[in-house]
Order: sequence, then C-alpha cells, then structure tokens
Amino acid sequence: SQQGEEDPQALSIQEGENATMNCSYKTSINNLQWYRQNSGRGLVHLILIRSNEREKHSGRLRVTLDTSKKSSSLLITASRAADTASYFCAATGGGNKLTFGTGTQLKVEL
Amino acid sequence: GAVVSQHPSWVICKSGTSVKIECRSLDFQATTMFWYRQFPKQSLMLMATSNEGSKATYEQGVEKDKFLINHASLTLSTLTVTSAHPEDSSFYICSARTGTHRIQETQYFGPGTRLLVL
Repeated sequence: SQQGEEDPQALSIQEGENATMNCSYKTSINNLQWYRQNSGRGLVHLILIRSNEREKHSGRLRVTLDTSKKSSSLLITASRAADTASYFCAATGGGNKLTFGTGTQLKVEL
Repeated sequence: GAVVSQHPSWVICKSGTSVKIECRSLDFQATTMFWYRQFPKQSLMLMATSNEGSKATYEQGVEKDKFLINHASLTLSTLTVTSAHPEDSSFYICSARTGTHRIQETQYFGPGTRLLVL
C-alpha cells in the first residue's frame, strides 16, 4: 500500500493548547496537502506545501515538510473547540493522484 | 469559489439494486474528477480517476463493471454502484480539479454520499 501513516491516531487537548500531527509518506511527491474532515462530512482543504518548500503558514496553521525524511507536520496553534475534527495529509505523486494518510482524530476540550 | 456538490447525500437501498451518485462542480470546469470511498474511522481510498470525455481509470482491486463512472461534461461525473450488496455500504466522496495549471494541484471535495445497502 502506498498509503501514508499519521501519528498520533488520536489526540485530545485542552482549548488554547497547540496540536501537532505528523505524517510520513513512502514515495517521491510533487506536493503534500492537509485536509480537515468533520464527522460524516466532506473534506476541507487547509494548506498545500510544495516539495521545494520547507515551511508554510496559514493563520493558526503551520506546516513543515522534510523530503529527506519523507515526513510532514501540521501544527495548530491556540486550538479551539471548533478545531475538533479528523485531519488527513495527502501526498501528490505521479499522475497527480492524492494518496491519503491514515488520519489523526483531534479532540479539543473546553 | 471551487464548490463541489454531491447528490444524494444519503441513500438507503435494497441489495441487488443500482444506485447513482452525482458529483457536480458548481463554479468551475473540472477536467478531472476523482471518486473515493471511506469506511468508518478510516482514510479515503481512491477508487478511480475520471477525465471528461474519456474512460475512467480504476485503481487496482476496484471492479469497473460494478462501479460505473461517467464524466460526460466538465461539470458532472456520476458513479453508479450496480447490483449493490451490504459490503458496498460506505461513504463515497468525489473531488474535482480544474485544468488551470496554477491551481491544478488542489482537489476540491464534495460533501460525500452515505450509502447503506440493506
């Protein structure tokens, strides 16, 4: 399987804390994207980082990419209860197909 | 912009019947659409890639005669689950991508269709 791995599988934090999720992939990529999915809903695109970039920011999100280690991380700062969702990384490889990671279920408690 | 819709959002059917799911790009032309399925608490698995006006490309292990995909226009792709069985019960999600090179990398996802086969 070419599916990526994410850790942790589940993460529970208090509101205001930071949440870090990690993703590893197996093949060469053109870019890596992070998506969010609320329970039973579709995916929302959060951020894209290209293979020649190392770090990218968008609001409270910070994404890093280490192509030598084939890994990426997503940091959500100052988390809110509304951030509770599943987060998936997806690597774009040959044929521009997305290969999704296993996902991290984030729960932010008040 | 870049909104993708799916219809229906929920469908319950009897075993042996066929179900059609529509995926539409509402405000852009989608040269490529993708169909995924997702089991509870699991990740998305790509089923097939469909390009407008040509036959879909199916991933290994996906039966093309069971999951019929048609991408007849730049804004519509359909997935038909033929002779559905309970094991076909799943969450089906489509995504769409434009042909515009600058933003070709981003796939925009529909809200998903939950299929329950009794």
